[in-house]
Amino acid sequence: DTGVSQNPRHKITKRGQNVTFRCDPISEHNRLYWYRQTLGQGPEFLTYFQNEAQLEKSRLLSDRFSAERPKGSFSTLEIQRTEQGDSAMYLCASSRTSGWSTDTQYFGPGTRLTVL
Amino acid sequence: DQQVKQNSPSLSVQEGRISILNCDYTNSMFDYFLWYKKYPAEGPTFLISISSIKDKNEDGRFTVFLNKSAKHLSLHIVPSQPGDSAVYFCAASADNNNDMRFGAGTRLTVKP
Repeated sequence: DTGVSQNPRHKITKRGQNVTFRCDPISEHNRLYWYRQTLGQGPEFLTYFQNEAQLEKSRLLSDRFSAERPKGSFSTLEIQRTEQGDSAMYLCASSRTSGWSTDTQYFGPGTRLTVL
Repeated sequence: DQQVKQNSPSLSVQEGRISILNCDYTNSMFDYFLWYKKYPAEGPTFLISISSIKDKNEDGRFTVFLNKSAKHLSLHIVPSQPGDSAVYFCAASADNNNDMRFGAGTRLTVKP
């Protein structure tokens, strides 16, 4: 299976703790996206990378959130000092871009975060 | 700011009939529209897309219609099958597919 993978699938943490999620995109995809989805809502864009460069960040991404994609392959999303409002499904997607066109984004299964 | 809206949270259809899922958007800069299907405990799965230069795109049982003047798109599934039961998200993007905006989803139930 060469789809997008995310680890862990579930994370339960106490308020104030730091958590880190990992996303492995489809291998030939140079773009990687992070989204957050809460109950009853669609995914909300957080940030995206083209190769190792973080090109755009949503205002939803507070200072406690940081994402990296150091070698242009896998990416990590860290949340520091977690709050109960951070409880959500964190989705990663990847796509391939060449020139002006970009392929469809393909999603991983998500990491469900529960902050107690 | 809810730029993409799916006003029907749920839809129930009999097997073999047509399912029509609707989506409205407000941002006239959107030029690429997609439908994703999501099963429980899985990420959204791409279903079908349409560029703003077209008004219809068909793929098997799935057809997406785009009405740019009304800022409205719809997904038709014909014939509907029980395996189509899932949450369907409409999504839209501008400027090369960055910052894709999603609707809240419509839960489709296809009854045998």
